[in-house]
Amino acid sequence: ELKVEQNPLFLSMQEGKNYTIYCNYSTTSDRLYWYRQDPGKSLESLFVLLSNGAVKQEGRLMASLDTKARLSTLHITAAVHDLSATYFCAGNSGGGADGLTFGKGTHLIIQP
Amino acid sequence: DAGVIQSPRHEVTEMGQEVTLRCKPISGHDYLFWYRQTMMRGLELLIYFNNNVPIDDSGMPEDRFSAKMPNASFSTLKIQPSEPRDSAVYFCASKWGGQGVTGELFFGEGSRLTVL
Repeated sequence: ELKVEQNPLFLSMQEGKNYTIYCNYSTTSDRLYWYRQDPGKSLESLFVLLSNGAVKQEGRLMASLDTKARLSTLHITAAVHDLSATYFCAGNSGGGADGLTFGKGTHLIIQP
Repeated sequence: DAGVIQSPRHEVTEMGQEVTLRCKPISGHDYLFWYRQTMMRGLELLIYFNNNVPIDDSGMPEDRFSAKMPNASFSTLKIQPSEPRDSAVYFCASKWGGQGVTGELFFGEGSRLTVL
Protein backbone atom coordinates (compact mmCIF):
# COMPACT_ATOMS: atom_id res chain seq x y z
CA GLU A 1 0.00 0.00 0.00
CA LEU A 2 1.38 3.34 -1.04
CA LYS A 3 1.96 5.86 1.74
CA VAL A 4 2.73 9.50 1.02
CA GLU A 5 4.31 11.77 3.60
CA GLN A 6 4.77 15.47 3.29
CA ASN A 7 6.81 17.84 5.36
CA PRO A 8 6.45 20.26 6.75
CA LEU A 9 2.69 20.15 7.39
CA PHE A 10 2.59 23.82 8.31
CA LEU A 11 4.82 26.57 7.02
CA SER A 12 4.72 30.27 7.66
CA MET A 13 7.15 32.32 5.65
CA GLN A 14 7.78 35.86 4.55
CA GLU A 15 7.35 37.23 1.10
CA GLY A 16 10.51 37.14 -0.94
CA LYS A 17 11.93 34.03 0.73
CA ASN A 18 12.60 30.65 -0.82
CA TYR A 19 11.45 27.35 0.59
CA THR A 20 10.99 23.70 -0.29
CA ILE A 21 8.21 21.25 0.52
CA TYR A 22 9.18 17.59 0.61
CA CYS A 23 7.12 14.58 -0.40
CA ASN A 24 8.30 11.06 0.39
CA TYR A 25 6.45 7.97 -0.76
CA SER A 26 6.78 4.41 0.45
CA THR A 27 6.62 2.20 -2.62
CA THR A 28 7.09 2.55 -6.33
CA SER A 29 4.81 5.17 -7.78
CA ASP A 30 4.35 5.51 -11.53
CA ARG A 31 3.88 9.22 -11.30
CA LEU A 32 3.78 12.02 -8.82
CA TYR A 33 1.23 14.82 -8.73
CA TRP A 34 1.09 18.19 -7.01
CA TYR A 35 -2.19 19.93 -6.26
CA ARG A 36 -3.10 23.25 -4.72
CA GLN A 37 -6.16 23.86 -2.54
CA ASP A 38 -7.37 27.28 -1.42
CA PRO A 39 -9.56 27.42 1.72
CA GLY A 40 -13.02 26.06 1.04
CA LYS A 41 -12.19 25.35 -2.57
CA SER A 42 -11.47 22.45 -4.86
CA LEU A 43 -8.11 20.87 -5.63
CA GLU A 44 -6.32 22.31 -8.63
CA SER A 45 -3.70 20.30 -10.48
CA LEU A 46 -0.31 22.02 -10.56
CA PHE A 47 2.20 19.49 -11.86
CA VAL A 48 2.37 15.94 -13.13
CA LEU A 49 5.81 14.34 -12.91
CA LEU A 50 6.02 11.32 -15.15
CA SER A 51 9.53 9.96 -14.76
CA ASN A 52 12.72 10.02 -12.75
CA GLY A 53 14.47 13.36 -13.00
CA ALA A 54 11.38 15.16 -14.24
CA VAL A 55 11.31 18.86 -13.46
CA LYS A 56 8.37 21.15 -14.08
CA GLN A 57 8.18 24.89 -13.48
CA GLU A 58 5.32 27.34 -13.41
CA GLY A 59 6.02 30.85 -12.27
CA ARG A 60 7.57 30.77 -8.80
CA LEU A 61 6.88 27.05 -8.31
CA MET A 62 9.15 24.25 -9.42
CA ALA A 63 8.55 20.54 -8.85
CA SER A 64 11.00 17.69 -9.27
CA LEU A 65 10.96 13.92 -8.92
CA ASP A 66 13.64 11.45 -7.83
CA THR A 67 12.15 7.97 -8.11
CA LYS A 68 15.24 6.26 -6.70
CA ALA A 69 14.98 8.26 -3.49
CA ARG A 70 11.16 8.12 -3.66
CA LEU A 71 11.17 11.87 -3.18
CA SER A 72 9.50 14.80 -4.84
CA THR A 73 10.05 18.44 -3.96
CA LEU A 74 8.06 21.60 -4.55
CA HIS A 75 10.31 24.63 -4.46
CA ILE A 76 8.97 28.12 -3.98
CA THR A 77 11.10 30.99 -5.18
CA ALA A 78 10.67 34.54 -3.90
CA ALA A 79 7.31 33.75 -2.33
CA VAL A 80 4.36 36.09 -2.74
CA HIS A 81 1.17 36.26 -0.68
CA ASP A 82 -0.94 34.79 -3.52
CA LEU A 83 0.86 31.47 -3.12
CA SER A 84 -0.68 31.00 0.33
CA ALA A 85 -2.64 27.72 0.09
CA THR A 86 -2.46 24.06 1.02
CA TYR A 87 -0.28 21.98 -1.29
CA PHE A 88 -0.76 18.26 -1.70
CA CYS A 89 1.39 15.67 -3.34
CA ALA A 90 -0.14 12.41 -4.51
CA GLY A 91 1.09 9.17 -5.98
CA ASN A 92 -0.32 6.32 -7.97
CA SER A 93 0.79 2.91 -6.77
CA GLY A 94 0.28 1.43 -10.21
CA GLY A 95 -0.38 -2.27 -10.65
CA GLY A 96 -3.84 -1.52 -11.89
CA ALA A 97 -4.73 0.90 -9.11
CA ASP A 98 -6.25 3.99 -10.59
CA GLY A 99 -6.87 6.25 -7.64
CA LEU A 100 -4.34 8.66 -6.19
CA THR A 101 -3.05 8.46 -2.63
CA PHE A 102 -2.60 11.91 -1.15
CA GLY A 103 -0.27 13.24 1.49
CA LYS A 104 -1.70 15.20 4.43
CA GLY A 105 -0.93 18.49 2.71
CA THR A 106 1.33 21.42 3.55
CA HIS A 107 -0.52 24.47 4.81
CA LEU A 108 1.51 27.41 3.56
CA ILE A 109 1.06 30.94 4.84
CA ILE A 110 3.06 33.70 3.22
CA GLN A 111 3.15 36.90 5.20
CA PRO A 112 3.74 40.31 3.62
CA ASP B 1 -15.79 23.15 -20.95
CA ALA B 2 -17.67 22.48 -17.75
CA GLY B 3 -15.68 20.87 -15.00
CA VAL B 4 -16.85 18.27 -12.51
CA ILE B 5 -20.16 19.42 -11.04
CA GLN B 6 -21.25 18.45 -7.54
CA SER B 7 -24.42 19.11 -5.61
CA PRO B 8 -25.36 20.15 -3.08
CA ARG B 9 -22.45 22.40 -2.16
CA HIS B 10 -23.53 22.46 1.47
CA GLU B 11 -25.76 20.09 3.39
CA VAL B 12 -26.73 20.27 7.02
CA THR B 13 -28.74 17.38 8.34
CA GLU B 14 -29.60 15.63 11.55
CA MET B 15 -28.23 12.34 12.69
CA GLY B 16 -30.17 9.42 11.25
CA GLN B 17 -31.26 11.18 8.09
CA GLU B 18 -30.40 10.00 4.60
CA VAL B 19 -27.94 12.09 2.61
CA THR B 20 -27.45 11.90 -1.14
CA LEU B 21 -24.55 13.64 -2.85
CA ARG B 22 -24.46 13.99 -6.61
CA CYS B 23 -21.74 14.29 -9.20
CA LYS B 24 -21.54 14.94 -12.92
CA PRO B 25 -18.07 14.11 -14.28
CA ILE B 26 -16.34 15.86 -17.14
CA SER B 27 -17.81 14.69 -20.44
CA GLY B 28 -15.67 11.97 -22.01
CA HIS B 29 -13.96 10.95 -18.79
CA ASP B 30 -14.25 7.24 -18.08
CA TYR B 31 -13.15 7.20 -14.43
CA LEU B 32 -15.01 8.69 -11.49
CA PHE B 33 -13.73 8.90 -7.93
CA TRP B 34 -15.30 9.80 -4.60
CA TYR B 35 -12.98 11.21 -1.93
CA ARG B 36 -13.66 12.39 1.61
CA GLN B 37 -11.63 15.15 3.23
CA THR B 38 -11.37 15.75 6.98
CA MET B 39 -8.82 17.54 9.10
CA MET B 40 -7.93 14.38 10.96
CA ARG B 41 -7.67 11.90 8.08
CA GLY B 42 -6.93 14.12 5.10
CA LEU B 43 -8.11 12.99 1.67
CA GLU B 44 -9.38 9.42 1.57
CA LEU B 45 -10.43 7.54 -1.53
CA LEU B 46 -13.84 6.00 -0.89
CA ILE B 47 -14.71 4.33 -4.18
CA TYR B 48 -14.07 4.64 -7.87
CA PHE B 49 -15.76 3.61 -11.09
CA ASN B 50 -14.47 2.82 -14.54
CA ASN B 51 -17.02 2.94 -17.37
CA ASN B 52 -19.77 3.14 -14.74
CA VAL B 53 -18.65 -0.08 -13.02
CA PRO B 54 -17.42 0.07 -9.40
CA ILE B 55 -13.81 -1.09 -9.36
CA ASP B 56 -12.66 -0.60 -5.79
CA ASP B 57 -14.91 0.23 -2.85
CA SER B 58 -12.45 -0.79 -0.14
CA GLY B 59 -12.35 2.77 1.14
CA MET B 60 -16.07 2.94 1.89
CA PRO B 61 -16.13 3.20 5.68
CA GLU B 62 -19.13 1.01 6.39
CA ASP B 63 -22.39 -0.33 5.04
CA ARG B 64 -24.12 2.96 5.66
CA PHE B 65 -22.29 4.28 2.61
CA SER B 66 -23.24 3.32 -0.93
CA ALA B 67 -22.41 4.70 -4.35
CA LYS B 68 -23.89 4.24 -7.78
CA MET B 69 -23.13 5.33 -11.30
CA PRO B 70 -26.18 4.60 -13.45
CA ASN B 71 -24.69 6.26 -16.53
CA ALA B 72 -21.53 7.99 -17.74
CA SER B 73 -22.70 11.42 -16.67
CA PHE B 74 -24.04 10.87 -13.18
CA SER B 75 -23.03 9.34 -9.88
CA THR B 76 -24.42 9.42 -6.35
CA LEU B 77 -22.95 8.81 -2.93
CA LYS B 78 -25.53 7.97 -0.31
CA ILE B 79 -25.21 7.81 3.45
CA GLN B 80 -28.04 6.16 5.32
CA PRO B 81 -28.34 6.69 8.22
CA SER B 82 -25.98 9.60 8.65
CA GLU B 83 -23.90 10.13 11.81
CA PRO B 84 -22.00 13.16 13.14
CA ARG B 85 -18.68 11.50 12.32
CA ASP B 86 -19.65 11.56 8.64
CA SER B 87 -19.26 15.35 8.66
CA ALA B 88 -16.64 16.14 6.03
CA VAL B 89 -16.15 17.55 2.56
CA TYR B 90 -16.89 14.98 -0.11
CA PHE B 91 -15.14 15.46 -3.42
CA CYS B 92 -15.93 13.89 -6.73
CA ALA B 93 -13.17 13.69 -9.33
CA SER B 94 -12.90 12.30 -12.83
CA LYS B 95 -10.21 11.47 -15.35
CA TRP B 96 -9.68 10.03 -18.80
CA GLY B 97 -7.84 6.73 -18.53
CA GLY B 98 -6.72 6.36 -22.12
CA GLN B 99 -3.19 5.57 -23.25
CA GLY B 100 -0.61 8.31 -23.08
CA VAL B 101 -2.53 10.52 -20.69
CA THR B 102 -1.14 11.93 -17.48
CA GLY B 103 -3.65 10.31 -15.12
CA GLU B 104 -4.37 13.50 -13.23
CA LEU B 105 -7.70 13.81 -11.52
CA PHE B 106 -10.00 16.78 -12.01
CA PHE B 107 -11.93 17.65 -8.88
CA GLY B 108 -15.33 19.18 -8.30
CA GLU B 109 -15.95 21.96 -5.80
CA GLY B 110 -16.94 19.49 -3.11
CA SER B 111 -20.02 18.95 -0.97
CA ARG B 112 -19.61 20.07 2.62
CA LEU B 113 -21.69 17.82 4.85
CA THR B 114 -22.53 18.63 8.46
CA VAL B 115 -24.42 16.04 10.47
CA LEU B 116 -25.80 17.38 13.74
